[in-house]
Amino acid sequence: DAGITQSPRHKVTETGTPVTLRCHQTENHRYMYWYRQDPGHGLRLIHYSYGVKDTDKGEVSDGYSVSRSKTEDFLLTLESATSSQTSVYFCAISEPGQGNTIYFGEGSWLTVV
Amino acid sequence: RKEVEQDPGPFNVPEGATVAFNCTYSNSASQSFFWYRQDCRKEPKLLMSVYSSGNEDGRFTAQLNRASQYISLLIRDSKLSDSATYLCVVNDGYGGSQGNLIFGKGTKLSVKP
Repeated sequence: DAGITQSPRHKVTETGTPVTLRCHQTENHRYMYWYRQDPGHGLRLIHYSYGVKDTDKGEVSDGYSVSRSKTEDFLLTLESATSSQTSVYFCAISEPGQGNTIYFGEGSWLTVV
Repeated sequence: RKEVEQDPGPFNVPEGATVAFNCTYSNSASQSFFWYRQDCRKEPKLLMSVYSSGNEDGRFTAQLNRASQYISLLIRDSKLSDSATYLCVVNDGYGGSQGNLIFGKGTKLSVKP
């Protein structure tokens, strides 16, 4: 158990509405990540953070923003949700020096209708 | 674009069988290698890291061939509980071993009684 909690776990929202997913960790890990997983694409990195207020883009960052104002919380925001953002979103953590082994939260299932 | 390629399967095997998965990666600078296991509608979980000399964990053996840029996973004496999707994961080579991870799309294994 990596001490990661994602919320909400399931959400249905309408196209054009803003959505924020929250990732909370209890073990003071420095690195946090947001991935999305879709059939035929595998896991793809959206954004990641290497410390408070330090974030960077991943492979599929368009349409997403993130914030990390505290070590324990990493927020993913869809400013205006689209149907193409229907997916399962996984938060993950890692620690430097462990070869970047990462551990995932349980996932957030988002449906945009 | 950096790639990790896996046979999607499914591999359907009887209990007790030995099954092997292969994975190829495109970035010769990759330095960290892993196998993750993902059950249906669950988060990926680390199965094992893959070391240059090869490594074993119970019924699971991982091998790395840097010259050919492929990774393998061997499962001996398959159990029903081994049924899952197995993800091959490598880092992107930036920042040494701390680079971001690239995930294969996974190989599905189904172990039958």
